[in-house]
Amino acid sequence: AQTVTQSQPEMSVQEAETVTLSCTYDTSENNYYLFWYKQPPSRQMILVIRQEAYKQQNATENRFSVNFQKAAKSFSLKISDSQLGDTAMYFCAFMKHGGAGNMLTFGGGTRLMVKP
Amino acid sequence: ETGVTQTPRHLVMGMTNKKSLKCEQHLGHNAMYWYKQSAKKPLELMFVYSLEERVENNSVPSRFSPECPNSSHLFLHLHTLQPEDSALYLCASSHGFTNEKLFFGSGTQLSVL
Repeated sequence: AQTVTQSQPEMSVQEAETVTLSCTYDTSENNYYLFWYKQPPSRQMILVIRQEAYKQQNATENRFSVNFQKAAKSFSLKISDSQLGDTAMYFCAFMKHGGAGNMLTFGGGTRLMVKP
Repeated sequence: ETGVTQTPRHLVMGMTNKKSLKCEQHLGHNAMYWYKQSAKKPLELMFVYSLEERVENNSVPSRFSPECPNSSHLFLHLHTLQPEDSALYLCASSHGFTNEKLFFGSGTQLSVL
């Protein structure tokens, strides 16, 4: 079974600054996906970024990038030039590659507050 | 708007009531999911439906009963729930049973009194 751990229940950052959210996971699988989801007050879970474990290059999506350390089983999210709209819960998630039923395993979440 | 619509947005029910949650997706996907998000536990998968098969989390109590009449609609029938079932119930869909890109709805916030 997989486990995902987010050790920071809450974080805050000033607008325009950079913040990094931490995530570690435990698995015996070699092929898998890792995700960061954002859940704003609207409650809708929105995919921010995803990483395929076989790719060494870190994924980036505009202001969002990850630091994927496969050996250390670490998958942190960096948000650059933070904006007020980035205020949300952020969830790290794991999915086994080719697993039937897309069984996402989520971490407990980090609440991020962006301050003006 | 991601194309996944859930109704109702909020639901309050007594332990003896029977109610249903509805999910509809307009994305042409053929796999749909129910996830539970409670205050004290990480999101957990409850059920998956696709043209190929149904997958369920064996820890889900029988008082939760899913129904998927077609690829666009998914229901979660609730009966004789317990207060600990109070949670946000999220529906999601994907194109294919093993496609890793899930699209979520905004959830139904359920309170069981």
